[in-house]
Amino acid sequence: GEDVEQSLFLSVREGDSSVINCTYTDSSSTYLYWYKQEPGAGLQLLTYIFSNMDMKQDQRLTVLLNKKDKHLSLRIADTQTGDSAIYFCAETGGFQKLVFGTGTRLLVSP
Amino acid sequence: KAGVTQTPRYLIKTRGQQVTLSCSPISGHRSVSWYQQTPGQGLQFLFEYFSETQRNKGNFPGRFSGRQFSNSRSEMNVSTLELGDSALYLCASSSGEGGRAIGETQYFGPGTRLLVL
Repeated sequence: GEDVEQSLFLSVREGDSSVINCTYTDSSSTYLYWYKQEPGAGLQLLTYIFSNMDMKQDQRLTVLLNKKDKHLSLRIADTQTGDSAIYFCAETGGFQKLVFGTGTRLLVSP
Repeated sequence: KAGVTQTPRYLIKTRGQQVTLSCSPISGHRSVSWYQQTPGQGLQFLFEYFSETQRNKGNFPGRFSGRQFSNSRSEMNVSTLELGDSALYLCASSSGEGGRAIGETQYFGPGTRLLVL
């Protein structure tokens, strides 16, 4: 089945690292994605990881994938107030279908 | 390249009416997907079109329909609107060439916010 779960809320101070976690159930997913949504806006693709990788780093972003536990995480280094947004993880569900998590609201305080 | 565009950005309708939303994908992209975002249900997949054919469909009633034109532009239609149809409708495009086994990077538009009164 398809079920992607995330914690609802994360609060950090500017300059700290943020870690957003996600668990998924469809082991056949080939790609896993992280998207960012700012208020009133659409979804912005942040990064993605192929299912045969354990880690991917992209500037301040680090994605870790544990296929055995079906666990995905997004680490944002040196978090800034501009990083405040809702973050969604998503897995592929056949063709171009994405199955999204519930979203984690990240609040970065000065 | 221009991004995914959606029109209109905001729409107010009353129950029982119908609505048509439009999406223009990134130039060269042949796949268009539609999603509904609500506070209660989150982001849910509606359907995906590739080369004018619906390849995948989510669990929505038949009131929700879509189509794709030969230039890859897509429209979705909701008939007999209900209050629960109030949502942000997002469109995403990708090349679509990967087929079923490979998920491709999808690029989202800004969405159409529909309010049903």
